[in-house]
Amino acid sequence: GAVVSQHPSRVICKSGTSVKIECRSLDFQATTMFWYRQFPKQSLMLMATSNEGSKATYEQGVEKDKFLINHASLTLSTLTVTSAHPEDSSFYICSASTPGGGRQPQHFGDGTRLSIL
Amino acid sequence: DAKTTQPNSMESNEEEPVHLPCNHSTISGTDYIHWYRQLPSQGPEYVIHGLTSNVNNRMASLAIAEDRKSSTLILHRATLRDAAVYYCILSAGTASKLTFGTGTRLQVTL
Repeated sequence: GAVVSQHPSRVICKSGTSVKIECRSLDFQATTMFWYRQFPKQSLMLMATSNEGSKATYEQGVEKDKFLINHASLTLSTLTVTSAHPEDSSFYICSASTPGGGRQPQHFGDGTRLSIL
Repeated sequence: DAKTTQPNSMESNEEEPVHLPCNHSTISGTDYIHWYRQLPSQGPEYVIHGLTSNVNNRMASLAIAEDRKSSTLILHRATLRDAAVYYCILSAGTASKLTFGTGTRLQVTL
């Protein structure tokens, strides 16, 4: 089955640090990748949609200058949390899909738990 | 986005079948019905999806009502490893964006 690898799985860092999270589709080409955030005991919230080779589309309320997304290839998207603060601590999850819209499932990474001290 | 309604929680005994319901009365003709599940501290896992006809795979079955306003995810024999939050999500045919609701927390007991 389709595998999405997310790295790192856990990050603990000081306030003000920038953190990069990688999301790779290992056995398929992902034209579209998605980034979600999940706070404790809550559901996943979509942050942004990225298409290979173009700018990401951010959901309302998500600061594009704080959460930088790059989707430079069909197998890799990165999310950089710039100047992270304690309120950015959360579980960040990526997913990837192939062309086909709702006809195709999304395949998720195992998430990155970010803790900002 | 068309919304879905699921019970907050359900319980099942191990080795028994489980029927997880989902209502989606405002579904449009091009919306696919997707099911994902999430175990604690993990990313969601794809379970099954369909458009109009019932679907079966190695994990589960998806029964879709004739009017498509509801569907049921069927786990044929629940195991302890099936304990998770199950999300029923509609995804438009032209865009693969998913909007997660609160899902159904399934507890499986011995």
